[in-house]
Amino acid sequence: ILNVEQSPQSLHVQEGDSTNFTCSFPSSNFYALHWYRWETAKSPEALFVMTLNGDEKKKGRISATLNTKEGYSYLYIKGSQPEDSATYLCAFIGNAGNMLTFGGGTRLMVKP
Amino acid sequence: DADVTQTPRNRITKTGKRIMLECSQTKGHDRMYWYRQDPGLGLRLIYYSFDVKDINKGEISDGYSVSRQAQAKFSLSLESAIPNQTALYFCATSDRIGLAGVNEQFFGPGTRLTVL
Repeated sequence: ILNVEQSPQSLHVQEGDSTNFTCSFPSSNFYALHWYRWETAKSPEALFVMTLNGDEKKKGRISATLNTKEGYSYLYIKGSQPEDSATYLCAFIGNAGNMLTFGGGTRLMVKP
Repeated sequence: DADVTQTPRNRITKTGKRIMLECSQTKGHDRMYWYRQDPGLGLRLIYYSFDVKDINKGEISDGYSVSRQAQAKFSLSLESAIPNQTALYFCATSDRIGLAGVNEQFFGPGTRLTVL
Protein backbone atom coordinates (compact mmCIF):
# COMPACT_ATOMS: atom_id res chain seq x y z
CA ILE A 1 0.00 0.00 0.00
CA LEU A 2 1.47 3.35 -1.06
CA ASN A 3 1.79 6.14 1.46
CA VAL A 4 0.32 9.46 0.33
CA GLU A 5 0.19 12.06 3.08
CA GLN A 6 -1.41 15.47 3.10
CA SER A 7 -0.76 18.22 5.60
CA PRO A 8 -2.27 19.91 7.38
CA GLN A 9 -5.47 17.89 7.84
CA SER A 10 -7.45 21.09 8.26
CA LEU A 11 -6.82 24.77 7.96
CA HIS A 12 -8.78 27.88 8.91
CA VAL A 13 -7.86 31.15 7.19
CA GLN A 14 -9.37 34.59 6.85
CA GLU A 15 -10.73 35.85 3.56
CA GLY A 16 -7.89 37.43 1.62
CA ASP A 17 -5.15 35.28 3.17
CA SER A 18 -2.93 33.26 0.90
CA THR A 19 -2.34 29.68 1.93
CA ASN A 20 -0.63 26.51 0.87
CA PHE A 21 -0.65 22.85 1.74
CA THR A 22 1.42 19.80 1.00
CA CYS A 23 1.05 16.38 -0.56
CA SER A 24 3.87 13.87 0.05
CA PHE A 25 4.18 10.71 -2.03
CA PRO A 26 6.73 8.00 -2.86
CA SER A 27 9.56 9.51 -4.90
CA SER A 28 10.38 6.27 -6.71
CA ASN A 29 8.43 5.05 -9.76
CA PHE A 30 6.48 8.28 -10.06
CA TYR A 31 3.99 8.53 -12.93
CA ALA A 32 1.47 11.27 -12.17
CA LEU A 33 0.03 13.36 -9.38
CA HIS A 34 -3.58 14.59 -9.35
CA TRP A 35 -5.19 17.36 -7.33
CA TYR A 36 -8.97 17.40 -6.74
CA ARG A 37 -11.23 19.92 -5.06
CA TRP A 38 -14.17 18.49 -3.13
CA GLU A 39 -16.87 20.82 -1.85
CA THR A 40 -19.26 19.51 0.77
CA ALA A 41 -22.28 17.73 -0.75
CA LYS A 42 -20.73 17.87 -4.22
CA SER A 43 -18.53 15.60 -6.33
CA PRO A 44 -14.73 15.90 -6.29
CA GLU A 45 -13.52 17.84 -9.33
CA ALA A 46 -10.09 17.72 -10.91
CA LEU A 47 -7.85 20.74 -10.54
CA PHE A 48 -4.58 19.52 -12.00
CA VAL A 49 -2.84 16.43 -13.35
CA MET A 50 0.93 16.80 -13.11
CA THR A 51 3.50 14.48 -14.63
CA LEU A 52 6.87 16.23 -14.90
CA ASN A 53 9.34 17.16 -12.18
CA GLY A 54 9.26 20.93 -11.81
CA ASP A 55 5.76 21.23 -13.28
CA GLU A 56 3.85 24.31 -12.23
CA LYS A 57 0.17 24.60 -13.06
CA LYS A 58 -2.27 27.41 -12.45
CA LYS A 59 -6.04 27.81 -12.55
CA GLY A 60 -7.20 31.25 -11.48
CA ARG A 61 -5.96 31.88 -7.94
CA ILE A 62 -4.95 28.26 -7.41
CA SER A 63 -1.57 26.91 -8.45
CA ALA A 64 0.44 23.77 -7.82
CA THR A 65 4.06 22.73 -8.02
CA LEU A 66 5.60 19.28 -8.29
CA ASN A 67 8.91 17.85 -7.06
CA THR A 68 9.10 14.19 -8.02
CA LYS A 69 12.69 13.73 -6.85
CA GLU A 70 11.83 14.51 -3.24
CA GLY A 71 8.22 13.34 -3.45
CA TYR A 72 6.06 16.36 -2.74
CA SER A 73 3.60 18.75 -4.34
CA TYR A 74 2.38 22.07 -3.01
CA LEU A 75 -1.03 23.59 -3.67
CA TYR A 76 -1.24 27.38 -3.28
CA ILE A 77 -4.32 29.54 -3.04
CA LYS A 78 -3.78 33.27 -3.42
CA GLY A 79 -6.22 35.62 -1.71
CA SER A 80 -8.53 32.93 -0.32
CA GLN A 81 -12.26 33.47 -0.72
CA PRO A 82 -15.12 31.78 1.19
CA GLU A 83 -15.98 29.84 -1.97
CA ASP A 84 -12.53 28.21 -1.78
CA SER A 85 -13.71 26.34 1.32
CA ALA A 86 -13.46 22.67 0.41
CA THR A 87 -11.40 19.57 0.93
CA TYR A 88 -8.39 19.37 -1.36
CA LEU A 89 -7.32 15.85 -2.29
CA CYS A 90 -4.12 14.74 -3.94
CA ALA A 91 -3.71 11.35 -5.59
CA PHE A 92 -0.58 9.53 -6.74
CA ILE A 93 -0.07 6.92 -9.41
CA GLY A 94 3.16 5.01 -9.89
CA ASN A 95 4.38 3.80 -13.26
CA ALA A 96 3.60 0.19 -12.50
CA GLY A 97 -0.02 0.75 -11.61
CA ASN A 98 -3.42 1.69 -12.87
CA MET A 99 -4.84 2.93 -9.60
CA LEU A 100 -4.82 6.34 -7.98
CA THR A 101 -3.86 6.32 -4.30
CA PHE A 102 -5.44 9.28 -2.53
CA GLY A 103 -4.18 11.19 0.45
CA GLY A 104 -6.50 11.94 3.36
CA GLY A 105 -7.16 15.50 2.15
CA THR A 106 -6.72 18.98 3.56
CA ARG A 107 -9.94 20.61 4.66
CA LEU A 108 -9.79 24.37 4.08
CA MET A 109 -12.24 26.74 5.70
CA VAL A 110 -12.14 30.41 4.69
CA LYS A 111 -13.86 32.84 7.05
CA PRO A 112 -15.43 35.98 5.58
CA ASP B 1 -27.97 16.74 -16.64
CA ALA B 2 -25.07 15.26 -14.72
CA ASP B 3 -22.55 13.25 -16.73
CA VAL B 4 -22.06 10.67 -13.97
CA THR B 5 -25.09 9.66 -11.93
CA GLN B 6 -25.44 7.34 -8.97
CA THR B 7 -28.50 5.69 -7.49
CA PRO B 8 -29.58 5.65 -4.78
CA ARG B 9 -28.15 8.83 -3.24
CA ASN B 10 -28.85 7.68 0.28
CA ARG B 11 -29.58 4.23 1.66
CA ILE B 12 -30.07 2.79 5.10
CA THR B 13 -30.02 -0.96 5.37
CA LYS B 14 -29.56 -3.71 7.91
CA THR B 15 -26.70 -6.09 8.52
CA GLY B 16 -26.84 -9.09 6.21
CA LYS B 17 -28.89 -7.46 3.47
CA ARG B 18 -27.77 -7.43 -0.16
CA ILE B 19 -27.33 -3.96 -1.58
CA MET B 20 -26.63 -2.75 -5.10
CA LEU B 21 -25.35 0.70 -5.93
CA GLU B 22 -25.63 1.78 -9.53
CA CYS B 23 -23.58 4.16 -11.61
CA SER B 24 -24.35 5.46 -15.09
CA GLN B 25 -22.37 7.83 -17.27
CA THR B 26 -22.98 9.74 -20.47
CA LYS B 27 -19.38 10.83 -20.99
CA GLY B 28 -18.59 7.93 -23.30
CA HIS B 29 -15.64 6.90 -21.13
CA ASP B 30 -14.35 3.34 -21.13
CA ARG B 31 -12.84 3.45 -17.66
CA MET B 32 -14.97 3.34 -14.52
CA TYR B 33 -14.13 3.14 -10.83
CA TRP B 34 -15.78 2.61 -7.45
CA TYR B 35 -14.35 4.30 -4.36
CA ARG B 36 -15.38 4.55 -0.76
CA GLN B 37 -14.69 7.53 1.43
CA ASP B 38 -14.34 7.35 5.20
CA PRO B 39 -13.67 10.44 7.30
CA GLY B 40 -9.97 11.30 7.35
CA LEU B 41 -9.03 8.51 4.94
CA GLY B 42 -9.48 10.10 1.54
CA LEU B 43 -10.84 7.90 -1.22
CA ARG B 44 -9.99 4.20 -1.42
CA LEU B 45 -10.43 2.21 -4.60
CA ILE B 46 -12.75 -0.81 -4.41
CA TYR B 47 -12.89 -2.01 -8.03
CA TYR B 48 -12.19 -0.62 -11.47
CA SER B 49 -13.00 -1.55 -15.04
CA PHE B 50 -11.29 -0.45 -18.22
CA ASP B 51 -13.81 -2.04 -20.58
CA VAL B 52 -17.07 -3.98 -20.54
CA LYS B 53 -15.36 -7.34 -19.94
CA ASP B 54 -12.59 -6.04 -17.74
CA ILE B 55 -12.89 -6.12 -13.92
CA ASN B 56 -10.02 -5.44 -11.53
CA LYS B 57 -9.76 -5.44 -7.76
CA GLY B 58 -8.71 -2.29 -6.03
CA GLU B 59 -7.23 -1.72 -2.61
CA ILE B 60 -10.28 -2.84 -0.58
CA SER B 61 -12.36 -5.26 -2.65
CA ASP B 62 -13.20 -7.78 0.09
CA GLY B 63 -16.94 -7.87 0.76
CA TYR B 64 -17.80 -6.20 -2.56
CA SER B 65 -18.47 -7.31 -6.12
CA VAL B 66 -19.08 -5.38 -9.32
CA SER B 67 -20.73 -5.80 -12.68
CA ARG B 68 -19.98 -3.85 -15.83
CA GLN B 69 -23.18 -4.38 -17.80
CA ALA B 70 -22.39 -1.93 -20.57
CA GLN B 71 -19.90 0.81 -21.29
CA ALA B 72 -22.14 3.29 -19.52
CA LYS B 73 -23.04 1.24 -16.42
CA PHE B 74 -21.00 -0.06 -13.52
CA SER B 75 -22.73 -1.53 -10.46
CA LEU B 76 -21.31 -2.22 -7.02
CA SER B 77 -22.85 -4.92 -4.82
CA LEU B 78 -22.52 -5.69 -1.16
CA GLU B 79 -23.62 -9.32 -0.91
CA SER B 80 -24.11 -9.24 2.85
CA ALA B 81 -23.76 -5.74 4.25
CA ILE B 82 -21.95 -5.16 7.54
CA PRO B 83 -21.78 -2.01 9.68
CA ASN B 84 -18.16 -1.21 8.78
CA GLN B 85 -19.28 -0.79 5.18
CA THR B 86 -21.08 2.36 6.26
CA ALA B 87 -19.43 5.03 4.11
CA LEU B 88 -19.81 7.46 1.24
CA TYR B 89 -19.40 5.66 -2.09
CA PHE B 90 -18.28 7.40 -5.27
CA CYS B 91 -18.32 6.22 -8.84
CA ALA B 92 -15.86 7.83 -11.27
CA THR B 93 -14.97 7.64 -14.94
CA SER B 94 -11.96 8.55 -17.05
CA ASP B 95 -11.08 8.66 -20.71
CA ARG B 96 -9.01 5.92 -22.34
CA ILE B 97 -6.49 8.20 -24.04
CA GLY B 98 -3.03 7.17 -22.93
CA LEU B 99 -2.30 5.44 -19.67
CA ALA B 100 -4.87 5.70 -16.90
CA GLY B 101 -2.70 7.87 -14.68
CA VAL B 102 -2.72 10.97 -16.84
CA ASN B 103 -6.47 11.24 -17.29
CA GLU B 104 -8.46 13.16 -14.74
CA GLN B 105 -11.34 11.31 -13.18
CA PHE B 106 -14.93 12.57 -13.21
CA PHE B 107 -16.93 11.72 -10.12
CA GLY B 108 -20.61 11.07 -9.50
CA PRO B 109 -22.49 12.75 -6.64
CA GLY B 110 -21.91 9.91 -4.20
CA THR B 111 -24.13 7.42 -2.37
CA ARG B 112 -24.28 7.64 1.39
CA LEU B 113 -24.78 4.10 2.73
CA THR B 114 -25.57 3.32 6.34
CA VAL B 115 -25.56 -0.29 7.54
CA LEU B 116 -27.27 -0.78 10.89
